[in-house]
Amino acid sequence: RKEVEQDPGPFNVPEGATVAFNCTYSNSASQSFFWYRQDCRKEPKLLMSVYSSGNEDGRFTAQLNRASQYISLLIRDSKLSDSATYLCVVNSFTTSGTYKYIFGTGTRLKVLA
Amino acid sequence: GAVVSQHPSWVICKSGTSVKIECRSLDFQATTMFWYRQFPKQSLMLMATSNEGSKATYEQGVEKDKFLINHASLTLSTLTVTSAHPEDSSFYICSARSGLAGTTTAYEQYFGPGTRLTVT
Repeated sequence: RKEVEQDPGPFNVPEGATVAFNCTYSNSASQSFFWYRQDCRKEPKLLMSVYSSGNEDGRFTAQLNRASQYISLLIRDSKLSDSATYLCVVNSFTTSGTYKYIFGTGTRLKVLA
Repeated sequence: GAVVSQHPSWVICKSGTSVKIECRSLDFQATTMFWYRQFPKQSLMLMATSNEGSKATYEQGVEKDKFLINHASLTLSTLTVTSAHPEDSSFYICSARSGLAGTTTAYEQYFGPGTRLTVT
């Protein structure tokens, strides 16, 4: 089982739609969680951190369920510019005594005009 | 946010040659830098973690003698792909973290723009 699992998609949605992405992680000792956005042939860029209480940034809402080891990202009123790959990232404590990012494979989103 | 640069942004080299990629934190001191590799349609895979002034820690399956990492200062880490082969062609991305090495606090990583390596 992968440490961080995401549905690879692609999700093709019309402009203005609401779309939700899910992510599960296997390491219960994971400390922090993020959603990154990656455009084609570019580096990942931080979209938002994910907190247990849930957090919102404009059209984006992230939720964390530690008991179920599940993270979600909701995008409302999708724009064409939201088309990208969304990476679920978990910062986990390793057996070597350090923290490192574990990336999901990403979920591709294409917003259609 | 913090800025991380990489150089070169892309490189084409012949099989058997070595390629050096630089990663610099421009406006903060990076006690820890990470090197990732991403193949097409795949996610980022951590290759190694380097702390300033000490040897890099390589992930399982990554050859330390092939991928040489040097983190000589708090703002610069280099990755040298030695005797590159076509299967080494990939997108190499570094990231930098400003937290204190060895602490358990999770600090945010800042990513460089990546280096696209093509070995012919």
